[in-house]
Amino acid sequence: KAGVTQTPRYLIKTRGQQVTLSCSPISGHRSVSWYQQTPGQGLQFLFEYFSETQRNKGNFPGRFSGRQFSNSRSEMNVSTLELGDSALYLCASSGSTSGRVTDTQYFGPGTRLTVL
Amino acid sequence: DQQVKQNSPSLSVQEGRISILNCDYTNSMFDYFLWYKKYPAEGPTFLISISSIKDKNEDGRFTVFLNKSAKHLSLHIVPSQPGDSAVYFCAASLTGANSKLTFGKGITLSVRP
Repeated sequence: KAGVTQTPRYLIKTRGQQVTLSCSPISGHRSVSWYQQTPGQGLQFLFEYFSETQRNKGNFPGRFSGRQFSNSRSEMNVSTLELGDSALYLCASSGSTSGRVTDTQYFGPGTRLTVL
Repeated sequence: DQQVKQNSPSLSVQEGRISILNCDYTNSMFDYFLWYKKYPAEGPTFLISISSIKDKNEDGRFTVFLNKSAKHLSLHIVPSQPGDSAVYFCAASLTGANSKLTFGKGITLSVRP
């Protein structure tokens, strides 16, 4: 079974631009979560989508948004990029239908975003 | 406010010895805890978990201990192997529906041959 894939793997943008990242979950998984990893803050939860609906949300500003398609693929968008948005963005999929964290999350390799 | 804290950023141990990675949490409502391991250029992979109804869970060389009164958990790796060198993240959550994981900042473990 193929794992979680994320594209692109690396991205360089300038302040004020917007960016869209893509995540394809493991086949059959309908839950997709997004995380931001920075050296100072570690891994922080952005949001979770299930069946095209946002089911859970972290404490990030509205510049961070996402969506999920009917095939469970998900995209994350960051508008008006700031230098502090430079991070590794990780996507994780789960076979969970209830949203319980006891169902294992499988992470992709991440997209490394650099904002200049 | 960091609800899950991994206060030591790094740990170096000799191959064959025990590695002990520590994690503290502040939210007493957390009742499910996990450890993830991350190699460079890869996403984190699930290692082991423990529910708050237990104080110990073991899986091969990996054992997680939970001390609820101290709000502390630890991951023991015995014996440590060079392939264990990675960043280890502690995470905590509630087990209810629509819960989310709160991660620590990670500990970099180096196992010396």
